[in-house]
This record gives sequence, structure tokens and C-alpha cells, in this order.
Amino acid sequence: GQSLEQPSEVTAVEGAIVQINCTYQTSGFYGLSWYQQHDGGAPTFLSYNALDGLEETGRFSSFLSRSDSYGYLLLQELQMKDSASYFCAVTDNQGGKLIFGQGTELSVKP
Amino acid sequence: EAGVAQSPRYKIIEKRQSVAFWCNPISGHATLYWYQQILGQGPKLLIQFQNNGVVDDSQLPKDRFSAERLKGVDSTLKIQPAKLEDSAVYLCASSLNNQNTEAFFGQGTRLTVV
Repeated sequence: GQSLEQPSEVTAVEGAIVQINCTYQTSGFYGLSWYQQHDGGAPTFLSYNALDGLEETGRFSSFLSRSDSYGYLLLQELQMKDSASYFCAVTDNQGGKLIFGQGTELSVKP
Repeated sequence: EAGVAQSPRYKIIEKRQSVAFWCNPISGHATLYWYQQILGQGPKLLIQFQNNGVVDDSQLPKDRFSAERLKGVDSTLKIQPAKLEDSAVYLCASSLNNQNTEAFFGQGTRLTVV
């Protein structure tokens, strides 16, 4: 089976940097994704890591360490609109199931 | 390109009634997912299709839930009979293939069972 652990909530101020960690356990691993979901909205894709290292997309970066079964999402220059829930998700290598964590609620304060 | 379409957006039913949700994925996407999301929790995978075959349905309560993806395009998810604990948002998503570099979600159906 699969399980993912991430903090339930994080608070930061505008302009700051925040890191949301994710550790996972899975019987077979293909990649780690991150999704953003605003209240009442649908999850939207942010990033995907299949290999170790850092992927940067604008203000957002995502990191993966396969040996540590660990990844994180880094959000820079925080804006109020970044207040949302962030989910890490594992793709396994047995059929490509996409399994989500319980999410981290990020609150950005002025 | 058109996104993932779901209907209805909202549904209120009484317990023990039946309900069906419909999903039309992005054209050309082979992989289709149904998720259940209870308020404050992450999406829980109910069933995943690759074309018209089932990849995984281990979390689908098969005594009351069923899903099909005829012709490998659109899909329906049915609950019969519904229970109070089925109140949730039902999300459909699709991706180009099962390597999942990006899954696209529909707006979901918010189901309330009273």
C-alpha cells in the first residue's frame, strides 16, 4: 500500500518563503507530484519529480530524494493568493495509481 | 483545449436513494480517475481506468458503488443505495497516460446525503 505524511497546516507572511514537506511509503514508486486546491475549487497541478533533485517553476520549486522517500514544495515570495491546500501525491509503478496525501493548509498573512 | 467535464455540480438525495455522476475526460487522455474528497481531507482514489480497463478499484465500496468507462472515453460513477457518510465531493480527473506527469481535474460533484 501507500501512505503519505505532510503537515496539516502552515502559516507564513506575505513575501516570505515556506517549505511543505512530504514523506511517503509505497510498494513501488514512479514519481511525486504536488497539487494546489483553493476552497471550493478543484486540485490543480503544480509540479512533478521522477528523479532526485530540484525542479523550479517560477515562484514554486519541488524537491525529491528517492533514497529518503522524501520531497518538499518550496514557495517563494508568498502572496495572499497562495493561501490554499497543498497536496503531495505519489504515482506508483504498479499500474500508475495516483495517491494523495491529506494535504497542508497554507495560510498567508499580511 | 476543453477541460474535464463533470455533471451534475450539486446533488442532494435522501439516504438509501441512488445517484449517478458523469465525467467526460480531456480528449485523448487514456487514464481516468474517480476520487472521493471529504471536507478537510485529501482526495481518496476510488477507481482508476486505463482506457476501458480497471487499473485499481481497491478502495471502491463495491457493495454500493460501481463505475464504468464504456468505449474508453466518458465514465459514470453510481452509488446505490447511498449512506450519510457518502456526503463528499466526487472528483473526476484524467491524464494522458498512467505515468501521470499531470492529472487534470473536473470541478467535481458535491453530494449531500440527508
